Amino acid sequence: NAGVTQTPKFRILKIGQSMTLQCTQDMNHNYMYWYRQDPGMGLKLIYYSVGAGITDKGEVPNGYNVSRSTTEDFPLRLELAAPSQTSVYFCASSYSWGQTYEQYFGPGTRLTVT
Amino acid sequence: EDQVTQSPEALRLQEGESSSLNCSYTVSGLRGLFWYRQDPGKGPEFLFTLYSAGEEKEKERLKATLTKKESFLHITAPKPEDSATYLCAVQGDYKLSFGAGTTVTVRA
Repeated sequence: NAGVTQTPKFRILKIGQSMTLQCTQDMNHNYMYWYRQDPGMGLKLIYYSVGAGITDKGEVPNGYNVSRSTTEDFPLRLELAAPSQTSVYFCASSYSWGQTYEQYFGPGTRLTVT
Repeated sequence: EDQVTQSPEALRLQEGESSSLNCSYTVSGLRGLFWYRQDPGKGPEFLFTLYSAGEEKEKERLKATLTKKESFLHITAPKPEDSATYLCAVQGDYKLSFGAGTTVTVRA
C-alpha cells in the first residue's frame, strides 16, 4: 500500500497561472480532503469529498476547485494563482464507516506563487 | 465553531526530561480527539484517537489523556527522535479542526 500520494512535491507559479495538484489513495477510502497549512496556523480544510461525484466546500474554498470522478483520485485545481495561495497543501483520506474518521495524509505539495 | 488551542507553541527538552503538551478545545458534540505527529517536510502521521473523558492511550514514550475540555500528550523520558511537531484535532461532525501544533525539540 502506497497510502496517499501527491504530486508534485514542489512548484513555483507566477501570479495568474493555473495548475492542478494531484492526489491518489489506494486504501479504498470513500472520504477525501484537501488542506492547506500556513506557518503558525492549523491545517485549514479547503474542500472535501464523501465519494465519487460528490464534493463540498470546506473553510477556505475561494480560489480553488475540485473534482472526484473516481474513488482513488481527488485533484485540486488552482485558477489564477495569487500570492495568498502560497502554502503547503495536504491531501488526506479516511473511511466513511464508524463513529470517527481517522485521516491519513499525503506528503504534501509546497507551492510558491510569485 | 469548533476551536482548538495548543500550548506551548514550542518546547525544548533535554533527553530524558519528561513533559506534557496541552490541547484545549471547544466543540459541539465531540466524536473524537486526535493526536498527530508531523516531521519537517512531511504530512501528519496519526498517533491516537480518544473518544471520551477519562480515556488514555499509550504508544512507546507517548501517553494521551482526555478530559471534557482538554487533552494532554505526555512524553516520558524523550529521545532526540521524538523531536517533531505534535498536532491536536477534534471532530465534531465529518471534519477535523486542527490546532496550530506544539514543536518539540529534544536535545541529546
